[in-house]
Amino acid sequence: QPVLIQTPTASGTPGQRVTISCSGSRSNIGSTTANWYQQLPGTAPKLLIYANTQRRSGVPDRFSGSKSDTSASLAISGLQSEDEGDYYCAAWDDSLNGWVFGGGTKLTVL
Amino acid sequence: QLQLQESGPGLVKPSETLFLTCSVSGGSIRTTNYYWGWIRQPPGKGLEWIGTFYYTGSTFYNPSLKSQVTISVDTSNNQFSLRLNSMTAADTAVYYCATGRGITPFEFWGQGTVVTVSS
Repeated sequence: QPVLIQTPTASGTPGQRVTISCSGSRSNIGSTTANWYQQLPGTAPKLLIYANTQRRSGVPDRFSGSKSDTSASLAISGLQSEDEGDYYCAAWDDSLNGWVFGGGTKLTVL
Repeated sequence: QLQLQESGPGLVKPSETLFLTCSVSGGSIRTTNYYWGWIRQPPGKGLEWIGTFYYTGSTFYNPSLKSQVTISVDTSNNQFSLRLNSMTAADTAVYYCATGRGITPFEFWGQGTVVTVSS
């Protein structure tokens, strides 16, 4: 069972805004920062958002991150078909002394 | 920018030891502030962190795998390695090597290598 909890699926139509959530605890998101990865089909994960809200260079500003207490969210506005894939949150866990990932959210663009 | 490439056997027998290598190009593995790690993904499942080697010399392992895992660094060849003992079917996965800095974790990834555990 993943330490960070994500809703397994999300969907939207082109142009819509979707939000993916990640629930953690005080030992991970609550005391460190959340990061988000995009994994398109058949490819390696790619860092999208780091330090809760910072977009990695080259990531479109349609992607944004936020954090509140022990949870984090990834918002995708102006949804496009090429956004379809899996999205993972990750954070350092001070209790486990290691990195923890969410179970992933499969995003479908209808 | 940094580029990583995993190499190793695609098939391992149960109870055997897996040894994977990650070759680094576009920069030195001695670069300060970077750490070097392994992450795996079982078929159809999510990502699981295996362990990380920090430039300071510290190594951290997933508590659930700690007894099985060793990560080592070969600075002369600019590569780092993963050793996973006592392989079982549950260890069948795509294995990724990745690197990043404290603020940009796992910023660069290898393409991944498929490892199947089967007799």
